[in-house]
Amino acid sequence: DAKTTQPNSMESNEEEPVHLPCNHSTISGTDYIHWYRQLPSQGPEYVIHGLTSNVNNRMASLAIAEDRKSSTLILHRATLRDAAVYYCILRDGNNQGGKLIFGQGTELSVKP
Amino acid sequence: DAGVTQSPTHLIKTRGQQVTLRCSPKSGHDTVSWYQQALGQGPQFIFQYYEEEERQRGNFPDRFSGHQFPNYSSELNVNALLLGDSALYLCASSRILDRGNEKLFFGSGTQLSVL
Repeated sequence: DAKTTQPNSMESNEEEPVHLPCNHSTISGTDYIHWYRQLPSQGPEYVIHGLTSNVNNRMASLAIAEDRKSSTLILHRATLRDAAVYYCILRDGNNQGGKLIFGQGTELSVKP
Repeated sequence: DAGVTQSPTHLIKTRGQQVTLRCSPKSGHDTVSWYQQALGQGPQFIFQYYEEEERQRGNFPDRFSGHQFPNYSSELNVNALLLGDSALYLCASSRILDRGNEKLFFGSGTQLSVL
């Protein structure tokens, strides 16, 4: 599985947008870009995923660069409950099953 | 609809002992994966079970073994416990047919402490 690079930590103010970057320069054509987050004392939680086009759901938006070598997770209005470690993960579309390669992730702190 | 449930939530063992952790997948899911998460690290993939067989395995020794039952629930067994096995053990479920498009649902984990 191709690897991703994320900043170790980021800070945001409550009710402001947050842009979490991820670099994946070795991404292959069949790799999906997945984002998970892990709140304190909980297991990881699915946030969003995409292949080529930008994606929106109730939790966040995913902006994918045209060359797919980077992506950005966008939280439109950060809340204190969004404080978590955010993981950007590539999933091979030809690979069945639950193997996710987690990196260190980005620890997001949200200030009131 | 219950999500992924794991038991027990906490466990304390001593070196050399054996431990069994249990996981019930989300309704409709047929695949269970296990992860180990050391303090301050991202989860690491241990193995995945589908149709009662181990389908993929990460870089873990044979002391780590598992089982999947006909109802899709799963167990993780660790023999000859070492201090370094202290970690949060996470179970995740998914559907095999979703391939790379799938969403994994994780339980809250079992915190294992080896003394």
